[in-house]
This record gives sequence, C-alpha cells and structure tokens, in this order.
Amino acid sequence: AAGVIQSPRHLIKEKRETATLKCYPIPRHDTVYWYQQGPGQDPQFLISFYEKMQSDKGSIPDRFSAQQFSDYHSELNMSSLELGDSALYFCASSRGEGYYEQYFGPGTRLTVT
Amino acid sequence: AQSVTQLDSQVPVFEEAPVELRCNYSSSVSVYLFWYVQYPNQGLQLLLKYLSGSTLVESINGFEAEFNKSQTSFHLRKPSVHISDTAEYFCAVRTYNTDKLIFGTGTRLQVFP
Repeated sequence: AAGVIQSPRHLIKEKRETATLKCYPIPRHDTVYWYQQGPGQDPQFLISFYEKMQSDKGSIPDRFSAQQFSDYHSELNMSSLELGDSALYFCASSRGEGYYEQYFGPGTRLTVT
Repeated sequence: AQSVTQLDSQVPVFEEAPVELRCNYSSSVSVYLFWYVQYPNQGLQLLLKYLSGSTLVESINGFEAEFNKSQTSFHLRKPSVHISDTAEYFCAVRTYNTDKLIFGTGTRLQVFP
C-alpha cells in the first residue's frame, strides 16, 4: 500500500540558513500533520492542514511556516535555522473528518551545524 | 489538557516471554487512543487504535491493548515476544476537537535471545 512520502530524507544546513521539507500524503488523504521529534524525545505536534486550510496549530516557532497545496502535498518552511532545530521531522496524513488515525512518513532528519 | 504517561522507559525481556507496556492518560474529555511502534531510524507505524466499541483491540502481529476507562489506561500486551519486536513503543491520545496526537515519552522494548 502507498505510504506517506517525505523529501528529502536527510538535510544538513548551517545556522541562519533556510530549509524546506516536503510531504506527499497517502492518496485520498486530505489532512496533513507535521511533528518534530528531538533526539530521545517523543514527537511534538507543530501544525496541521485540512483541505488546504490550517486546521490546528501546536508549538510551531514563528520562524517556521507551512502550507498545503491543491494536490494536498504540504511543505514546511524553516528560516533562520538554529542548532536546536536539529531533529527528525515527521509528516502524517489522514482521510480527514471522522478519521482519527494518522499515518506517518519516514521522516526528514534535519541537522543544523 | 491531555497527557500521557508511560512509566517504563525500558523493558528488557527474553524471547518468547510475555510483555506488558503500560500507558496511562489524563483527559477531561473522551479520547481516542493509539499505540505506535518506531524501529531504529524509521518512522512511526500505527500498531493499534481504540476509537470506540470493544475495549480490547488486536494487531495483526500478536499485540493487543485494552482500554480501561475507570483506570484511564491503555496497556499494550503480547503473550510471546520475538527478537524482531525490539523497538520504541509510543502511546498517544487524541480528542475529537483537536488534530494533535499527544505522545508519551516512549518505552524501549529490548528482546534478548
């Protein structure tokens, strides 16, 4: 079965640079979620989109922004990167209203040096 | 607000032994409950979910979990573990009115031969 696709899988950036992470949800899934998992920590919810509109917002820094496009893929844009942004970033998708389980992608490992 | 507690950070067991990974939650509203498994350097895979109905839910690979509303618990069990079950297991909750999954801190299951 098709899964959530994330690109790139690994990304190395320097402090103060910008990064863009992409997420392609499972076909027919219209809701996308972003999570950040620091080393040895549990995933923390950042933001979600349903039908291209922001649906819910968590602990996402102001330096980060995200959007969902007409084909339902989503991009997480991160600016003025800091060392503390080094983490695994997961995207998850679901079928939207009435469907509560979220299916996760393999993640993008971001390293800020 | 909701919270999830996984009291055991690590659970070492021998192959073919039974195991129980504990999960307790706190919430003032009804929740949906999930167990996710994360193998090294991989994403989160949905293992089990409780949305409604029967309080005992099972996965295809022999795990089961029971929702106990009075004890606010959703413990994960397997009668006989395999080496391949070695992974990090996360319990998570979600309510009907928010998108975010709130994760516990995870339990590292280490199966020894």
